[in-house]
Formats: sequence, structure tokens, C-alpha cells
Amino acid sequence: DAMVIQNPRYQVTQFGKPVTLSCSQTLNHNVMYWYQQKSSQAPKLLFHYYDKDFNNEADTPDNFQSRRPNTSFCFLDIRSPGLGDAAMYLCATSSQGPEQYFGPGTRLTVT
Amino acid sequence: GENVEQHPSTLSVQEGDSAVIKCTYSDSASNYFPWYKQELGKGPQLIIDIRSNVGEKKDQRIAVTLNKTAKHFSLHITETQPEDSAVYFCAASFHSGGYQKVTFGTGTKLQVIP
Repeated sequence: DAMVIQNPRYQVTQFGKPVTLSCSQTLNHNVMYWYQQKSSQAPKLLFHYYDKDFNNEADTPDNFQSRRPNTSFCFLDIRSPGLGDAAMYLCATSSQGPEQYFGPGTRLTVT
Repeated sequence: GENVEQHPSTLSVQEGDSAVIKCTYSDSASNYFPWYKQELGKGPQLIIDIRSNVGEKKDQRIAVTLNKTAKHFSLHITETQPEDSAVYFCAASFHSGGYQKVTFGTGTKLQVIP
């Protein structure tokens, strides 16, 4: 009965090599979020989708892009990962209420 | 923008004792205050929340209190157990443009010593 699913759970990529992380949800929520969480820090919002409307946080680097082909799926693309992009990437969803539901995260390592 | 401060950053308690984590927020527009528990290598899990029209909420061993005037809110865990060991994040949020704008605190690492 998984609700927010993230794949893969662990991803290793090389410096500068594009990488895509995926998130899917079975909740039929209309809002999906991507957060970046570095070690011992709070999650930091990168962007969110309200249905198909994309909203970028002002300080999210251009290196990060996102796609949402349908209600259930959302992708995070990192065009040229740097060492500073190594982090846990969290996907979350919400609907009419304020509650956000997080996935288990993808741990990204950049070598 | 919203600023959420959380204390303490680390907390060690003996099993069976109580644990209290405190947060303050700055933006009076915030009206929803969730608490998340994050275990190592996992995503944050919503454990309890409180809305601005409520002063206190309890769910078994966990309770939250909110003082809107002082912009303070707290998490109380009673009869702590080793499985309560995790990082706890408070957050303050409000609804804006169709989505929930959430600002997290810096986290509290709770260790329950058996």
C-alpha cells in the first residue's frame, strides 16, 4: 500500500553526467513537490507542480529541471550534477488539505 | 519570508522519560504546524499536526501545543521508547496559490537510551 514511491532509492552518477530521479504516487494528489535534503539539514523545496503548473523556487539552480507527464508521475532531472548536488532528494504530495506526504527519498552520490 | 527556529538540536533521554522539542515561527500567516519524524535513510513521516485554531492536540504518547500569540509550538513525547529515536522536524506552513508553503525547522536528533 505504498503511497509515494521513489526510484531508485540509491543513485550514483558521475560529475557532469545527467541523471533523472522518479517519483510516483497512488494518492491521486494534485500537488507534487521536490525537496533537496543535505546531511543533517532540513528539507529545502526545489519546486512544485500544482496539477500541470510548474512553480520554481527563486533560489533553485537552473541545473535542476522537472517534468510531470501525468498526475501520478513526476521526474527530477539534474542536467550536470556537481559534487555539491549530492544529497537526499525527497518527493512529496498534497491535495486539498495542508498535509504533505513524503516518499522514502533517493540518495544521490556524485563521483 | 517565514523563519522557523527549533531547539534543542540534540536531545538524549532515558527510556520512559519525556522529551520536549520547541519551535518558534515568525510569519503570522502560518496556520498549519506539522511535525515530522525522520529515521535514518528514510523520508520524513508526518506524526502529528496542529492548526492555528487549536491550542493543543494529543495522540497517544505524542502531544503538540501551540501559542499563537507568542508564535511558539512544542512537541511532547511521553514514556519514550528506543524506537522513538530519530530526527524530528517541526514546520510552519500556510496555503498559497494552490499549494502548501512549508518552512522546516533545523531538526532535533532524539536519542532514547534503553
